[in-house]
Amino acid sequence: AQSVSQHNHHVILSEAASLELGCNYSYGGTVNLFWYVQYPGQHLQLLLKYFSGDPLVKGIKGFEAEFIKSKFSFNLRKPSVQWSDTAEYFCAVRGMDSSYKLIFGSGTRLLVRP
Amino acid sequence: GAVVSQHPSWVICKSGTSVKIECRSLDFQATTMFWYRQFPKQSLMLMATSNEGSKATYEQGVEKDKFLINHASLTLSTLTVTSAHPEDSSFYICSAITYRNSYEQYFGPGTRLTVT
Repeated sequence: AQSVSQHNHHVILSEAASLELGCNYSYGGTVNLFWYVQYPGQHLQLLLKYFSGDPLVKGIKGFEAEFIKSKFSFNLRKPSVQWSDTAEYFCAVRGMDSSYKLIFGSGTRLLVRP
Repeated sequence: GAVVSQHPSWVICKSGTSVKIECRSLDFQATTMFWYRQFPKQSLMLMATSNEGSKATYEQGVEKDKFLINHASLTLSTLTVTSAHPEDSSFYICSAITYRNSYEQYFGPGTRLTVT
């Protein structure tokens, strides 16, 4: 069965610190990978996605993620976080069947202290 | 573009009553819509996949008779929680996909349901 694991449930950083959030998935086939962000009181927004090609993908707001196929990982990174990055971050995987269903990880709550 | 709305944004109902939640794609036609449930401080759990004009496909463990889904048009899907109980209190989120952008999912703002 498909599954997504996010190892960090809560992360607290100071502004300007670097961020890396882990995401590992389990799926027996080709996948599309996504990172979503949910700011307090707002709906889910797409940060970035990987379908194919360059395994290092850049998203909005200075975020990037690297797909490492051998490790089944898709970790999210940002060199220098800001207070406004305080939010919950979800990794998601989508199999290449026709259902287009997303399977979400448990989420990581990031708190950035000014 | 690609805006999804939900109505209502929050609702309180009494135990035993039914509640309908609407999900609309405002500026595109959605081939498929999805319904998720999110418990406090937890992830999104997919409840069902809704295609226009056909029966919804429910995930394992989701009671189809309790969570009725109707997808009457390419821009509207509804979720009706029937005979609601306090344990149905949750945050319900819908999403919609279109053939554009490789079937990327666009999410609604969610509906907070509280059953008293």
